Amino acid sequence: EIVLTQSPGTLSLSPGARATLSCRASQSLTSNYLAWYQQKPGQAPRLLIYGASSRATGIPDRFSGSGSGTGFTLTITRLEPEDFAVYFCQQYVISPYTFGQGTKLEIK
Amino acid sequence: QLHQQESGPGLVKPSETLSLTCTVSDGSISSSTYFWGWIRQPPGKGLEWIGNIYYSGSTYYNPSLKSRLAISVDTSKNQFSLRLSSVTAADTAVYFCTRSPRRMLTFGGLTVPPIDLCGQGTFVIVSS
Repeated sequence: EIVLTQSPGTLSLSPGARATLSCRASQSLTSNYLAWYQQKPGQAPRLLIYGASSRATGIPDRFSGSGSGTGFTLTITRLEPEDFAVYFCQQYVISPYTFGQGTKLEIK
Repeated sequence: QLHQQESGPGLVKPSETLSLTCTVSDGSISSSTYFWGWIRQPPGKGLEWIGNIYYSGSTYYNPSLKSRLAISVDTSKNQFSLRLSSVTAADTAVYFCTRSPRRMLTFGGLTVPPIDLCGQGTFVIVSS
């Protein structure tokens, strides 16, 4: 099973700041099959990024994904109030298709 | 507008079978465009992939749940279903039905794409 480790666990930033979230895989993810999701309290996860760097439909360009192999990053430039949420990464290379434990992005 | 919605009992007794249905209102479940599936989230915890089914009938199950799990499709009702047997308190969670577009497998492969749409989720408690 591929283990995804996200860091930091909690990130405290102010609106307008830049957020950098990390996801590290226990083995290399071929084809960069790594996705990022945003989840707000009481809501379902929302896909932001797939294939490590492709934005999903309707996602603002302040969200970007990068990385390859075992190290991946989600960057949010110019944080908006609605961006404060929990973010999960997921690998879809090998079953079981595991998720990271999440990074909580909170308002400072 | 709800594109898909879960339904089923909110309370299941230990050792019994948890059964949920997802009704898809946007598009045909028989299409080769999407994989259909389930994820869950225990209270206050992270996300766990449960399994998927493709229009061809191929299923993809989490090995940790495989012996208790069945996912099926009812094309006449445009629905798909989850059955999880011999439940325990550890199966208490919010269950989300999911849609995963095949086009997101940029480089192909025998795997399941990421989730582009979830239902609103249904909370299932396992308790006597």
